[in-house]
Amino acid sequence: AQSVAQPEDQVNVAEGNPLTVKCTYSVSGNPYLFWYVQYPNRGLQFLLKYITGDNLVKGSYGFEAEFNKSQTSFHLKKPSALVSDSALYFCAVRAINNNDMRFGAGTRLTVKP
Amino acid sequence: GAVVSQHPSWVICKSGTSVKIECRSLDFQATTMFWYRQFPKQSLMLMATSNEGSKATYEQGVEKDKFLINHASLTLSTLTVTSAHPEDSSFYICSARDRGNRRVETQYFGPGTRLLVL
Repeated sequence: AQSVAQPEDQVNVAEGNPLTVKCTYSVSGNPYLFWYVQYPNRGLQFLLKYITGDNLVKGSYGFEAEFNKSQTSFHLKKPSALVSDSALYFCAVRAINNNDMRFGAGTRLTVKP
Repeated sequence: GAVVSQHPSWVICKSGTSVKIECRSLDFQATTMFWYRQFPKQSLMLMATSNEGSKATYEQGVEKDKFLINHASLTLSTLTVTSAHPEDSSFYICSARDRGNRRVETQYFGPGTRLLVL
């Protein structure tokens, strides 16, 4: 079965600095990889996905993520963080031949002014 | 974009009562819907997957008699927490996959329902 690890519970960055939220995955075969963001008491909002093609994928709100097959990683990045980026971020994986999506434990990003 | 709604958004009930949560896809047909449970500061845990017109598939450790799922139409799935107890208090999130869209990210999430059992 597929699984996701987000090694950091919390990431703190200063506004304007680059941010990275880490994610590693385990899956049989090729993965579909996703990042979602959750604001307090809200559902999940889709940020970006990797299906195939370019390893660097760009998503909503200036976020991007790099798929690294050899390291089985899919870290989320943004060149310049905003205070409004503060939220809970989830990495998720699906196997190509599997219907269900598995989520990491989440990383709380706090961007300080 | 596609919208998934949940009702109610908040529910407080007494121990022993049953609570029904509705999940609707508002502008698309969803052959598959997923129910997740999220504890404070934790990830989403998949509870069950339901396909329209068939029985739900429950994840290991999830009591099917406790959490009744009905996916009676292509736009509605319901989760009923039967004889709720305080340990059932949680944030329940549904998700729906658009049957008409083959893009793999088209799994849309509802806003969640917070259940508090007293």
